[in-house]
Amino acid sequence: GAVVSQHPSWVICKSGTSVKIECRSLDFQATTMFWYRQFPKQSLMLMATSNEGSKATYEQGVEKDKFLINHASLTLSTLTVTSAHPEDSSFYICSAPGLAFTDTQYFGPGTRLTVL
Amino acid sequence: AQKITQTQPGMFVQEKEAVTLDCTYDTSDPSYGLFWYKQPSSGEMIFLIYQGSYDQQNATEGRYSLNFQKARKSANLVISASQLGDSAMYFCAMRPSNYQLIWGAGTKLIIKP
Repeated sequence: GAVVSQHPSWVICKSGTSVKIECRSLDFQATTMFWYRQFPKQSLMLMATSNEGSKATYEQGVEKDKFLINHASLTLSTLTVTSAHPEDSSFYICSAPGLAFTDTQYFGPGTRLTVL
Repeated sequence: AQKITQTQPGMFVQEKEAVTLDCTYDTSDPSYGLFWYKQPSSGEMIFLIYQGSYDQQNATEGRYSLNFQKARKSANLVISASQLGDSAMYFCAMRPSNYQLIWGAGTKLIIKP
C-alpha cells in the first residue's frame, strides 16, 4: 500500500522559533496532501490542502502566514509553523488522498510539536 | 449540513466481548463513503473498514464489521471478540461527493482484561 512518512516524529522548540515538518509520499506521487491538526482527545481538524506547484488552500480560521505550506514536488509537502507559541503545540498529521473515491486516505505517522 | 456524530466519548468493554461503536451521519449527497479508523496512543491513523452508500451488503474485514443502516443514517462499527490491543480511539468519517473527509469526534475504547 501507499506509504507516507513524516519528519520529525516529535519536536520540542522554544517560543518564537519556526519549525518545519516534512511529509513524503514514499512509493507514489501525491499531487495533493492534506494537513491536519489534532489536539489531545479531539478529532482531526483539516488545516489546509496543498497542491503540487500551486498555492495551498487553507480552511477558514487557519492563519496562512502562521502555517506556511509548500508542495514543491510530487513526493514532498512541508508545513512550517512560524514564530511558534505554546498554543501551537499539537499533533500534526499529513495525508494523501487515495486514487479512487472508495480508497482511504494514506496518513503519515504524525508529528508531535511541543512549544515551550 | 454534512456531519458525523459519535455520541460515545468513551467505552469500557471486557476482553473477548463484542463491542459496537456508534456513528450517525448527515448528508444530502446520494453518493458517499463511510470509513472507520483506529488511532492507538502512538497517534498513527489505521484504516479499518469502508462502506459505500450504494453497497448492498454490510462491509466486513476480519473482526470488524460495519452495521450500515442507510434509512437511519447510521454506520456502527462492530468489533467481535475484543482484544487488549483494540484499546484506542476510534473515528468514524464520511466522504461526500467532494472527496473531503468529515470526521466524527471519536470514541475512546478501553478493553479490560
